[in-house]
Amino acid sequence: SAVISQKPSRDICQRGTSLTIQCQVDSQVTMMFWYRQQPGQSLTLIATANQGSEATYESGFVIDKFPISRPNLTFSTLTVSNMSPEDSSIYLCSVRATSGGHDEQFFGPGTRLTVL
Amino acid sequence: AQKVTQAQTEISVVEKEDVTLDCVYETRDTTYYLFWYKQPPSGELVFLIRRNSFDEQNEISGRYSWNFQKSTSSFNFTITASQVVDSAVYFCALSENAGNNRKLIWGLGTSLAVNP
Repeated sequence: SAVISQKPSRDICQRGTSLTIQCQVDSQVTMMFWYRQQPGQSLTLIATANQGSEATYESGFVIDKFPISRPNLTFSTLTVSNMSPEDSSIYLCSVRATSGGHDEQFFGPGTRLTVL
Repeated sequence: AQKVTQAQTEISVVEKEDVTLDCVYETRDTTYYLFWYKQPPSGELVFLIRRNSFDEQNEISGRYSWNFQKSTSSFNFTITASQVVDSAVYFCALSENAGNNRKLIWGLGTSLAVNP
């Protein structure tokens, strides 16, 4: 399994500013994922971050708005740039790891972002 | 196209009642995985079960059971003798393919309220 921590757990930010969210995993993982969950909604994949390569963004998400770093196999950051109230969401880091011989996907506790 | 439908937006039951959460999926893949996750009010996503497309055996884990029916493309989740702690949003998800780059396609979730 994998234990994932995220910082900050929550934040309230002003419009136009940027916030960087950190994701730390207790084991080395190849694939890390960043999701957004808008209020009352399901999860939407923002991008897949592999160590040593550029992140792969899903349709509707761009690097300028959500730059991602993946400096090693246990850490990643997601920056929400030039924020607007529409960016208010929970941002979740996720990894794929082996558990009980199976390949499973685990999630961090999330970062609750409110943009005023 | 891959799609997951959770038709029940909200369910409210009284403690000790049994409750079934429906999940219907669409996919063109012959090999795929289905998942259920629980999201309590704290926001963290808790992995409940993973089922691959070749294993149609139903599974029971304590008060939880899952009924996988390929013929109807359904993967329903039943909680027996529900408890207040079962109150959460439950998400059904489908993997897009079984390779290393598989993405999770999420349903919109079912909010379950178990009242004392």
